Amino acid sequence: DGGITQSPKYLFRKEGQNVTLSCEQNLNHDAMYWYRQDPGQGLRLIYYSQIVNDFQKGDIAEGYSVSREKKESFPLTVTSAQKNPTAFYLCASKVTSYNTGELFFGEGSRLTVL
Amino acid sequence: GQQVMQIPQYQHVQEGEDFTTYCNSSTTLSNIQWYKQRPGGHPVFLIQLVKSGEVKKQKRLTFQFGEAKKNSSLHITATQTTDVGTYFCAGDQGAQKLVFGQGTRLTINP
Repeated sequence: DGGITQSPKYLFRKEGQNVTLSCEQNLNHDAMYWYRQDPGQGLRLIYYSQIVNDFQKGDIAEGYSVSREKKESFPLTVTSAQKNPTAFYLCASKVTSYNTGELFFGEGSRLTVL
Repeated sequence: GQQVMQIPQYQHVQEGEDFTTYCNSSTTLSNIQWYKQRPGGHPVFLIQLVKSGEVKKQKRLTFQFGEAKKNSSLHITATQTTDVGTYFCAGDQGAQKLVFGQGTRLTINP
């Protein structure tokens, strides 16, 4: 079955540590996105990628980094520079970013900083 | 900046009552999408509206897009316990990315 796989589902980290969240899709989608969700808030865009080897900052990119070396993969690194990293992180993909169309979401990764 | 406001933030209803959530954008939208997120789950696409004044129905759900393409609503008739979750609107402002509203969390008393 096609879909988006995020791992790990739950992650704990100590302050000052970097952590990388994995996102893999087998939908053959060009566009991939990372969102952050906090309680009572909507989804806020961290980074997005329209095509391999290209990505752009979203609304809250500070303290995060991404790479897009393969079409299927769009990992997100939460660095120690992110002031408040505890959140639910959602990866999503779309056929292409140039047309309207639905976002397909992974099941999310819940990061807790101790 | 670009904003999509959604109200109410929370809504609690008795099973069988109707429910409506409203979405307003500060700018004209090229289209609007609606998503549902079950408790503990991830957002799932419900529908996309593109045309001014468009109305679409999915069983008990009715979606509307305003004439000015700046607002939208989702109405659920005769809610059921399976409708529990958070409903998000997401506006496409033409910048190749969606801007999500804060969501309306619906809880239902059976």
